[in-house]
Amino acid sequence: DQQVKQNSPSLSVQEGRISILNCDYTNSMFDYFLWYKKYPAEGPTFLISISSIKDKNEDGRFTVFLNKSAKHLSLHIVPSQPGDSAVYFCAASAMDSNYQLIWGAGTKLIIKP
Amino acid sequence: DAGVTQSPTHLIKTRGQQVTLRCSPISGHKSVSWYQQVLGQGPQFIFQYYEKEERGRGNFPDRFSARQFPNYSSELNVNALLLGDSALYLCASSLVLAGGAQYFGPGTRLTVL
Repeated sequence: DQQVKQNSPSLSVQEGRISILNCDYTNSMFDYFLWYKKYPAEGPTFLISISSIKDKNEDGRFTVFLNKSAKHLSLHIVPSQPGDSAVYFCAASAMDSNYQLIWGAGTKLIIKP
Repeated sequence: DAGVTQSPTHLIKTRGQQVTLRCSPISGHKSVSWYQQVLGQGPQFIFQYYEKEERGRGNFPDRFSARQFPNYSSELNVNALLLGDSALYLCASSLVLAGGAQYFGPGTRLTVL
């Protein structure tokens, strides 16, 4: 039973445009969400997080939006740069499980020149 | 500042053998978590340790065990290796037990033949 789903295995975006990565979850107890970026042969790198008491969090080019009623979150990258090409994972956690991270399967983002 | 370090980088074992993976957290971080990542999937939670105590365990068999030392470094042990144990094993550290971002090491690539 996948509690966190990233339904797009890959996404191709023109350099300079906006990249939007999506994530859906099923567990209503999740109250903390994170996005990670992963390059081949490296561990995941933390990008940005959001608590369930907020609906938006911004950090530079990265913005995460949370829609609790739809159990959906998205990561916006503006403008997209070649170095953004990587696999992006969304992860969710809940207080009642000591905030263990439950991960989606990832979306491979390709930034085209 | 040094990030999370893991050793070894790569490991090849045969079925039935035992393996020990090591992790050193970021200085000041007291929580260490272990994840298994197979190709095409997000990381799967194995263990979380905080202040040398096990605080969470994922859905893995008893062949998997871990411990955390007084200096907060950690070891993951896997006994009676199976072919299906071949994966990237990731260690993550965090400042607090719950509610904060986890920071990952580069991982140990385990191949079981």
